[in-house]
Amino acid sequence: AQRVTQPEKLLSVFKGAPVELKCNYSYSGSPELFWYVQYSRQRLQLLLRHISRESIKGFTADLNKGETSFHLKKPFAQEEDSAMYYCALIGSNYKLTFGKGTLLTVNP
Amino acid sequence: GAGVSQTPSNKVTEKGKYVELRCDPISGHTALYWYRQSLGQGPEFLIYFQGTGAADDSGLPNDRFFAVRPEGSVSTLKIQRTERGDSAVYLCASSFMGAGGNEQFFGPGTRLTVL
Repeated sequence: AQRVTQPEKLLSVFKGAPVELKCNYSYSGSPELFWYVQYSRQRLQLLLRHISRESIKGFTADLNKGETSFHLKKPFAQEEDSAMYYCALIGSNYKLTFGKGTLLTVNP
Repeated sequence: GAGVSQTPSNKVTEKGKYVELRCDPISGHTALYWYRQSLGQGPEFLIYFQGTGAADDSGLPNDRFFAVRPEGSVSTLKIQRTERGDSAVYLCASSFMGAGGNEQFFGPGTRLTVL
């Protein structure tokens, strides 16, 4: 079975502070990991995926197979980063398995 | 081009009624997915279409739920004898090929409320 755990429901930081949203997964093979984001009153959209190894909007995420983690990081949070963030994986099939999400609030 | 669209955006119905939720995927996308998102949860997989056929319906909770995609484009999720526990946001997504590596683009969702 595949599972994604996001231990923090809520995360609040001040503008300019570093932010890390935690994600751990359970899967016996080699999954593909994603971070999706949902801004207020907008649809769910892909933020980044581990295979592309990109930095999107200043966010990065490194897949750590030893720790089965895919934490999302940004060195200097901005107010516009306030949103709901979901970690997700795809295993040997096409189904996205999502975590429960972390609501990030960046305070001015 | 337009993204994935879903209608209606909101649906309020009474327990026991039948509802249909529509999804219009991105043109040219062969794969279509339905997810359900209950309050405080992440989206949960319901069913996946590749073309016209349901390749995997293992996420449908019971036989009250059914989905079709007769022409390989628009899909309809049908719920019979609705129950209060069916209240959720129903999300549709589409992707170009359906393989694990292809990005799934999500629609805005239909918020279903069963009274």
